[in-house]
This record gives sequence, C-alpha cells and structure tokens, in this order.
Amino acid sequence: NAGVTQTPKFRVLKTGQSMTLLCAQDMNHEYMYWYRQDPGMGLRLIHYSVGEGTTAKGEVPDGYNVSRLKKQNFLLGLESAAPSQTSVYFCASRDPGENQPQHFGDGTRLSIL
Amino acid sequence: SQKIEQNSEALNIQEGKTATLTCNYTNYSPAYLQWYRQDPGRGPVFLLLIRENEKEKRKERLKVTFDTTLKQSLFHITASQPADSATYLCARPNSGGYQKVTFGIGTKLQVIP
Repeated sequence: NAGVTQTPKFRVLKTGQSMTLLCAQDMNHEYMYWYRQDPGMGLRLIHYSVGEGTTAKGEVPDGYNVSRLKKQNFLLGLESAAPSQTSVYFCASRDPGENQPQHFGDGTRLSIL
Repeated sequence: SQKIEQNSEALNIQEGKTATLTCNYTNYSPAYLQWYRQDPGRGPVFLLLIRENEKEKRKERLKVTFDTTLKQSLFHITASQPADSATYLCARPNSGGYQKVTFGIGTKLQVIP
C-alpha cells in the first residue's frame, strides 16, 4: 500500500519555466490537497479538491493551477516559475467527513533559479 | 481568521522526561484538533485527534488535552526517547466546513540521550 506518492522528489527550474507536479493516492480518498511549506511559515494550502473534476482555491493559489481529472490523481502546475515559488510542496488526501486525518506524501523539493 | 499558534522554538529535553508541547488557537473553539508528527525530509504523519468535548486523549506514550477556556491544547510525550525527536504540528478545521484545516508552524522537539 503506497499511500500518497509525489513525483518528482526534487527539481530545479529556471525562472519562467513551467512544470507539473504529480500526486497519486491509492486509498480511494475523495479529498486531495496541495500545500507548500516554507521555513517559519508552516503548511499553507494552495488548492484543493473535494472530488473528481472539482477544484478550489486555498490560501495561496496565485501562480498555480490544478487539475483532478481522475480521482486518484491531483496535478499541480506552475505555468511560469518564479523564485518565490521555491519551496517544498506536499500533497495530501483524506476521506470526507469530520475528524478525518490527512495522509501526506513525502514532498517535492522545488528550487527556482 | 482562525489562527493556530505553536512555539516555533525548539524544545530540548532529556531522555526519559516528559515533553509538553503547546498549541493555542484564536477565535471560536474548533470542533476538534489534530496533532501530526513530521520528520526531516518527510511529510506529516497523523498521530491523534481530540474533540472539543473530550478533555484528554491517550495513545501509548502520547497524551493530548483540550482546554476550551484557555483555548489551548497540550501534547505530552511521556518517557521520551531520542526516536521521538521530530517536529510536531497542530491543526484545526476552518470555519464554514470541515474540508480544510489550518496548520501551526510546528514545534521541533529534540530528545537528548
């Protein structure tokens, strides 16, 4: 049981380049999330999805886009990378309903030069 | 906005002692609070959930309390071990629904042998 898998684990981009981060979960969870984690800032929600084909903005959505075409996958896109997007990105999933914990992947470390 | 405040400074304790971490929240009392553990280079892992009407919750050497008067949750690790060294995150659900949670920045615990 792999849980939540994020690819790639590391990436270095130049300013202006684009890329897509992939998150895959095998727990049949309805809800999926993308966070970024920066020193002194904690986890901040970028976008989230409460079901296949649905997405919503989180706390810091600017500069990112997402898609949830399949229930098990949640993609995070950077159309034109900026140095301010250098961060560690975490994907999480969970069952719907109150009290349900989030299950996290091990992150993608992204550096924008 | 709902805030979660954790002491961001590292907490160093001697092996065998009890570690106590604090999580303070603002505004209304959340229906529950969650605690996660995060190791370096890994995603957070869910540990415990405590509901508003529960004063205390235990799991092995872990104990969590919820004080709605003080607007505070305490996380205790008894008989601490070097393997308990990690960053511990507190999280609360956002108002208006339970689809999203807000995480604290975490407290880094170092257990010294």
